[in-house]
Amino acid sequence: AQKITQTQPGMFVQEKEAVTLDCTYDTSDPSYGLFWYKQPSSGEMIFLIYQGSYDQQNATEGRYSLNFQKARKSANLVISASQLGDSAMYFCAIDTGGFKTIFGAGTRLFVKA
Amino acid sequence: ETGVTQTPRHLVMGMTNKKSLKCEQHLGHNAMYWYKQSAKKPLELMFVYSLEERVENNSVPSRFSPECPNSSHLFLHLHTLQPEDSALYLCASSQAPGDSEQYFGPGTRLTVT
Repeated sequence: AQKITQTQPGMFVQEKEAVTLDCTYDTSDPSYGLFWYKQPSSGEMIFLIYQGSYDQQNATEGRYSLNFQKARKSANLVISASQLGDSAMYFCAIDTGGFKTIFGAGTRLFVKA
Repeated sequence: ETGVTQTPRHLVMGMTNKKSLKCEQHLGHNAMYWYKQSAKKPLELMFVYSLEERVENNSVPSRFSPECPNSSHLFLHLHTLQPEDSALYLCASSQAPGDSEQYFGPGTRLTVT
């Protein structure tokens, strides 16, 4: 069975600084995808970044990068130059195909001015 | 309208009521999903539809009844709900069934009294 663990229920970061949100996963499937979503207070889930298990390089999308360490089964999200608008819930998820997308419990990020 | 829309945004219903949640996607996607987000719990996948055919049902109680009349619309019919069914219900769509990159609607905040 697949599992996603996000151990940080809440995180604080100063505006313009970088922050790392932790995510560890567990799966026995050799092929899987890991991704992060952002959920602002409005409730909408916004896709941020995707990393395939066979991708050689860490995924990057603008200020978002995924620190993928396959041996440690971690897929941490790094947000550089935090902005006030980054304050939101962040969900890590794993997908091994067959419509089985498992989400973590989420981390609430607070960006301070 | 663009993206994925959901109506109503907020719903309060008694345990004996019957109501329906509506989701519409304007992205030309072939797969649609219902998720339940409860407080302090990971996001739970409820139903998956591929080209109007249900392909996944994660042991959801029968008081939740999905309907997908076409690839752009998805409904969740609710009847005789329980207070523990109070949650945010999110609809999502993806280009192809099983795609990791899903686009979410803003959700319906449901309160069962």
